[in-house]
Amino acid sequence: AQTVTQSQPEMSVQEAETVTLSCTYDTSESDYYLFWYKQPPSRQMILVIRQEAYKQQNATENRFSVNFQKAAKSFSLKISDSQLGDAAMYFCAYRRVLSNFGNEKLTFGTGTRLTIIP
Amino acid sequence: DGGITQSPKYLFRKEGQNVTLSCEQNLNHDAMYWYRQDPGQGLRLIYYSQIVNDFQKGDIAEGYSVSREKKESFPLTVTSAQKNPTAFYLCASTRGGPNSPLHFGNGTRLTVT
Repeated sequence: AQTVTQSQPEMSVQEAETVTLSCTYDTSESDYYLFWYKQPPSRQMILVIRQEAYKQQNATENRFSVNFQKAAKSFSLKISDSQLGDAAMYFCAYRRVLSNFGNEKLTFGTGTRLTIIP
Repeated sequence: DGGITQSPKYLFRKEGQNVTLSCEQNLNHDAMYWYRQDPGQGLRLIYYSQIVNDFQKGDIAEGYSVSREKKESFPLTVTSAQKNPTAFYLCASTRGGPNSPLHFGNGTRLTVT
């Protein structure tokens, strides 16, 4: 079974600084997708960024970027120029690709709570 | 606007009672999911459905039941057999394909006393 590990239960960063959240996963599959979701205090889950395993290039969405190391099974999230609105729980998630390209479930990590220090 | 509606936001029940959480989507998504969120444990999959009239157990299905009679609706029943039902429950749906993200509802906080 696939597992996703987030080893940092809590992180904090000064406003305007950069922070990196770690995520590792365990899989025997070669084709899969990885996601980062944000859950602010409202508890609404919001997609931050996604990465396709067969793509070498790291995904970027504005201030959010990933460092995807397929061989190491690592998928870290970098937040640049941290803002107060970035304070949230961040979840890493994994989804394998089914042979019929069906809707496979997402497996989530336990989350990292990010605090932004003004 | 399209989206996923979970109701109610807060739900209180006495131990031994079954309770049904509602999840409705107007996104025309085929697949729908129920996750449970507990502090320090992330999101754990209870049940999911890829098409109408079909559903599969997730990792923690014991004590729960679902139905998928309509594409738009995927209600979750928490039965009295669920030993620790107090939690935050999230419903999600996806359009299709492995790169499609899950769209989530706002969740239901269930408290059983």
